[in-house]
Amino acid sequence: AAGVIQSPRHLIKEKRETATLKCYPIPRHDTVYWYQQGPGQDPQFLISFYEKMQSDKGSIPDRFSAQQFSDYHSELNMSSLELGDSALYFCASSSQGYEQYFGPGTRLTVT
Amino acid sequence: AQSVSQHNHHVILSEAASLELGCNYSYGGTVNLFWYVQYPGQHLQLLLKYFSGDPLVKGIKGFEAEFIKSKFSFNLRKPSVQWSDTAEYFCAVNLILTGGGNKLTFGTGTQLKVEL
Repeated sequence: AAGVIQSPRHLIKEKRETATLKCYPIPRHDTVYWYQQGPGQDPQFLISFYEKMQSDKGSIPDRFSAQQFSDYHSELNMSSLELGDSALYFCASSSQGYEQYFGPGTRLTVT
Repeated sequence: AQSVSQHNHHVILSEAASLELGCNYSYGGTVNLFWYVQYPGQHLQLLLKYFSGDPLVKGIKGFEAEFIKSKFSFNLRKPSVQWSDTAEYFCAVNLILTGGGNKLTFGTGTQLKVEL
């Protein structure tokens, strides 16, 4: 079965640079979620999109933005990167609010 | 705001021992409940879920969980653990909302180590 795809899997950036993370949900899933997982921490909800509209917002910094495109893929844009942004970024997708399936994550390292 | 508590942060068991991981949530509305497992260096995988109906749910790999509404609890159990169960386990809750946006709130996780 198709799973959630995330790219890139690993990303190294310097402070103050920008990064774009991509997520391709499971086909026919209508909702995409972004989570941030710091080292040794639980995943924290950032933002979600339902049918291409932002549906909920969590602890997402103003430096970050996200959108969902017509083909349902989503991108998380991160600007003015800080050392504290180093984390695993997971994307998940679901259909009609049911269980969320997680992608493999993008490990972002900011140096 | 909803919150999820996992009481055990680190658990060490011998193979074949029984496992029970506690999870409590604080929200009085209608919720969905989940347990996810995260093997070292890997992504979150769904172990089991509760939406409605029988409060005892069975998941993959021999895991089960019991929803006790009066106690706001959703404890994870396995009768006999294996070395391969070494991983981090997260309890998660989402609210039932219309129009999508059903974000998950995770507990802090329990690191399980199974020794041979």
